[in-house]
Amino acid sequence: EDQVTQSPEALRLQEGESSSLNCSYTVSGLRGLFWYRQDPGKGPEFLFTLYSAGEEKEKERLKATLTKKESFLHITAPKPEDSATYLCAANYGGSQGNLIFGKGTKLSVKP
Amino acid sequence: EAQVTQNPRYLITVTGKKLTVTCSQNMNHEYMSWYRQDPGLGLRQIYYSMNVEVTDKGDVPEGYKVSRKEKRNFPLILESPSPNQTSLYFCASSPRAGIGTGAYSNQPQHFGDGTRLSIL
Repeated sequence: EDQVTQSPEALRLQEGESSSLNCSYTVSGLRGLFWYRQDPGKGPEFLFTLYSAGEEKEKERLKATLTKKESFLHITAPKPEDSATYLCAANYGGSQGNLIFGKGTKLSVKP
Repeated sequence: EAQVTQNPRYLITVTGKKLTVTCSQNMNHEYMSWYRQDPGLGLRQIYYSMNVEVTDKGDVPEGYKVSRKEKRNFPLILESPSPNQTSLYFCASSPRAGIGTGAYSNQPQHFGDGTRLSIL
């Protein structure tokens, strides 16, 4: 069964305390792995797309990496404004247009 | 400003009363999709559309209908809403993948701000 699993469900960090969020996937024919940020009351906001194992993308304090089985979102020296729910999603080749989301990791960064 | 617009943002209604949630995008995107988001279940795809007059079921299509008569609009129709359709709904759009990839949905999706439906 195609699925995407994120861990941990929730993560509390102190400002400046670096950490990583995990997204493991089991899909047939991965066509793209997406990371989104979602703030309360808002729609998901796109962060990164990764297409192949070994690929890395960076944006400010965030860095996303991809292996054949999982993706990591590394957060370096987080700030309170990084608090949000982070979602990963896999676009897979079973049928065009299919995108399956993980349940998300809720990140709280305390000052 | 590039955006995906959903209406209404909030709706409380009763079982069986037909309703339509509209979705419009101004980015000339080919691909559009509807999701529902529920606590503990995450985002689940309801229907998607690869282009005008081309729609297909996602993971949870039961009780919903869609149409794609124009490129910019992708309404979600609940013919006979039931309480288990109480949820937060998101519409999303994305451009077609680059020429030669053969895949429509490799591009990141742009989401609207959501419609919160309560069906009593």
